[in-house]
Amino acid sequence: GDSVTQMEGPVTLSEEAFLTINCTYTATGYPSLFWYVQYPGEGLQLLLKATKADDKGSNKGFEATYRKETTSFHLEKGSVQVSDSAVYFCALTTYNNNDMRFGAGTRLTVKP
Amino acid sequence: NAGVTQTPKFQVLKTGQSMTLQCAQDMNHEYMSWYRQDPGMGLRLIHYSVGAGITDQGEVPNGYNVSRSTTEDFPLRLLSAAPSQTSVYFCASRIKTGSSYEQYFGPGTRLTVT
Repeated sequence: GDSVTQMEGPVTLSEEAFLTINCTYTATGYPSLFWYVQYPGEGLQLLLKATKADDKGSNKGFEATYRKETTSFHLEKGSVQVSDSAVYFCALTTYNNNDMRFGAGTRLTVKP
Repeated sequence: NAGVTQTPKFQVLKTGQSMTLQCAQDMNHEYMSWYRQDPGMGLRLIHYSVGAGITDQGEVPNGYNVSRSTTEDFPLRLLSAAPSQTSVYFCASRIKTGSSYEQYFGPGTRLTVT
């Protein structure tokens, strides 16, 4: 079945460091890919998405490119801030699938 | 729009007790779902509904019941709580956007079963 694998955390960075969180997927159809962010005590918020190969999703300085050849959707940010501290989830869905599959989540802590 | 709302925010139950987690959305989305979030496991789908009167099981449905009498509401019932149901529960609704979906989550209910 469809699945998502994320790099294990936690990840701790200093402010202004470069961030990469790896995400790879397995899917039988043509998935749409998502990154969600969960701030402490809150629900998940959509951060960015890409719906077809080579699409780049971007939002709030975060970017991820849908790479079909490597089945990956890595999240990157050039300069993280303390306010980016959160748990990040990679997820996929296929159009005819009533489920959204999530990775285990990666906790990011940014220190001043 | 309030989006997706959930009540209560926190709940403690004893083993064997029953309760209902409430979920409502005001975006007129047909599709709604319930997930549980456990450490190291991401979110797993419990039940979902594609419209009023229609529900189906997800990946981990055992011990939970749902019903969908209106578009707005999608309650989750625990019939006889067990410690294995200690988790954070998220309700979500979604809408089709082009060839994909956008899914919106509620703030979650943290449930502890002792």
